[in-house]
Amino acid sequence: QKEVEQNSGPLSVPEGAIASLNCTYSDRGSQSFFWYRQYSGKSPELIMSIYSNGDKEDGRFTAQLNKASQYVSLLIRDSQPSDSATYLCAVFRGRDHGMNYGGSQGNLIFGKGTKLSVKP
Amino acid sequence: DGGITQSPKYLFRKEGQNVTLSCEQNLNHDAMYWYRQDPGQGLRLIYYSQIVNDFQKGDIAEGYSVSREKKESFPLTVTSAQKNPTAFYLCASSRYSGGYNEQFFGPGTRLTVL
Repeated sequence: QKEVEQNSGPLSVPEGAIASLNCTYSDRGSQSFFWYRQYSGKSPELIMSIYSNGDKEDGRFTAQLNKASQYVSLLIRDSQPSDSATYLCAVFRGRDHGMNYGGSQGNLIFGKGTKLSVKP
Repeated sequence: DGGITQSPKYLFRKEGQNVTLSCEQNLNHDAMYWYRQDPGQGLRLIYYSQIVNDFQKGDIAEGYSVSREKKESFPLTVTSAQKNPTAFYLCASSRYSGGYNEQFFGPGTRLTVL
């Protein structure tokens, strides 16, 4: 089972719609969760972080976390063509949870990203 | 301006050569990281450092080496032992290590082996 899973997309939404991006993770002990936006050829840019169950809103972005279901999502309201990018979900897994994490124990694990396309 | 810089932006290496990628930050962050990104793959951790003069291997450290002699600098050397070094290399930093500390990325170095 992959540790952090995202649908690779592409997810296509019309301008002005709500884009919904989903991420599941395998380690119940994961502590914190991040969403990054990555434009083609550029480095990832942090857009949201969330640490507790529920919703966190920042402008047009809302992150939702459900630890019981091991699920984190990102909603983008009023999607714009400039939102077209790949969105990376990252999960911080702690140490000593009885699993062999290798060298990344206690660090961020990234999903492969969901490519979002917002059509004018 | 505070931020993370990486150089060069593009780097070409002949097989058998060692090359060093630069990463500098002026954010006064304690922790620094090196990731590798391949097409269609997630970011994979190469090395990280939580404090000056200390660093740990990530998931894919073989064929790479690092140093952390100054808080601001965390250079990565890609050695000839790295079998498939062509990739996008990303340096990141965070205020401290640990799960509640957001990581911020530099602009990246794209390495191509000729």
